[in-house]
Amino acid sequence: GAGVSQSPRYKVAKRGQDVALRCDPISGHVSLFWYQQALGQGPEFLTYFQNEAQLDKSGLPSDRFFAERPEGSVSTLKIQRTQQEDSAVYLCASSLAAGNQPQHFGDGTRLSIL
Amino acid sequence: AQTVTQSQPEMSVQEAETVTLSCTYDTSESNYYLFWYKQPPSRQMILVIRQEAYKQQNATENRFSVNFQKAAKSFSLKISDSQLGDTAMYFCALNYGGATNKLIFGTGTLLAVQP
Repeated sequence: GAGVSQSPRYKVAKRGQDVALRCDPISGHVSLFWYQQALGQGPEFLTYFQNEAQLDKSGLPSDRFFAERPEGSVSTLKIQRTQQEDSAVYLCASSLAAGNQPQHFGDGTRLSIL
Repeated sequence: AQTVTQSQPEMSVQEAETVTLSCTYDTSESNYYLFWYKQPPSRQMILVIRQEAYKQQNATENRFSVNFQKAAKSFSLKISDSQLGDTAMYFCALNYGGATNKLIFGTGTLLAVQP
């Protein structure tokens, strides 16, 4: 595709529900990143994939957060037993290769937990 | 620890004028990259300009230029001939390398261009 695609654009869930957020990176991009952006803040790193390998998950806030990229392309961020503090915009970014390549961002998913 | 600080939460500029957004950072790495990203209300983060720390020459992209002061760990963005479409949140970001190449973002500066 032309850019990074994320779905859904908006997600509303009740506290305690599980949610899954999808990211379709730019075709051929090796690196994929997930960031969490709280209201009025800058994005914060969650996790990083190089192809299908999750090389860094140091930013995941708890074991309720899980990400996968099984075939090295599409990635899913899953949040189990959601809590109100999980409300944020979740941004996905991809870059062509490992290393200091520019990251291209999607439009994000705005998650609201009621 | 790597940090990025943007001390101007909001700024305003008249159309066609010049504005400078400030950013300071801290890292112990010698080779790193600095970025300015623009985030309009549509939420998509758009890369504005990129600076490699080992390059002394300041990066320029059309109306956008940076003033990179490595010793002072300062990385400001100058927007010349401001346009209404420049209205957005601007984030300064640091990539210090390592195994991940993740971005460390500042808290952002909301720029409003007034007609």
